[in-house]
Amino acid sequence: NAGVMQNPRHLVRRRGQEARLRCSPVKGHSHVYWYRQLPEEGLKFMVYLQKENIIDESGMPKERFSAEFPKEGPSILRIQQVVRGDSAAYFCASSRGTGGGTEAFFGQGTRLTVV
Amino acid sequence: KQEVTQIPAALSVPEGENLVLNCSFTDSAIYNLQWFRQDPGKGLTSLLLIQSSQREQTSGRLNASLDKSSGRSTLYIAASQPGDSATYLCAVDRGSTLGRLYFGRGTQLTVWP
Repeated sequence: NAGVMQNPRHLVRRRGQEARLRCSPVKGHSHVYWYRQLPEEGLKFMVYLQKENIIDESGMPKERFSAEFPKEGPSILRIQQVVRGDSAAYFCASSRGTGGGTEAFFGQGTRLTVV
Repeated sequence: KQEVTQIPAALSVPEGENLVLNCSFTDSAIYNLQWFRQDPGKGLTSLLLIQSSQREQTSGRLNASLDKSSGRSTLYIAASQPGDSATYLCAVDRGSTLGRLYFGRGTQLTVWP
């Protein structure tokens, strides 16, 4: 029973390029979350998606960042025109639902380095 | 707004000691509190989940308690081992923002032989 799968594990991009991060949730989970961990900082929420819907994107920068969770396939976090400040670890989590007793499971993360 | 604070930020102890890690949160309207472990360069491993209606949860040498009304949780680690060395993260949700978790900065634990 595979957990949350993220790829790639490491990604290097030059300034101005696009970064695409993929996340496949635990089988049977329809709720996906993306978090960002900057060096020496805690994890910060970015976006919460269900299949084909963005539920809460209040933590995601308004420009250059977008996320989707299509009916088929993994969730994608896309960062356009990357800058050095985007260098961070990006974690995806999934859950079966929300509310009491709902456990979130995290992937291994994608470490983005912008050079 | 939900803010999560973890004390201490770092802890270094000899093997065999019993440890207490502390977590506090400002908004008590939560559904769940979750403790995670993060090893350097790795993802998060869920250790314990406590629902708001529960007072504590146990798994092996780990015991987590929750006092929702005062906004506090403690993670107790018995008979610590070098393999317990990692960063321990506390996270809570919030009733008004379903699903998302609010994290503390973590306690970096080192257990030396």
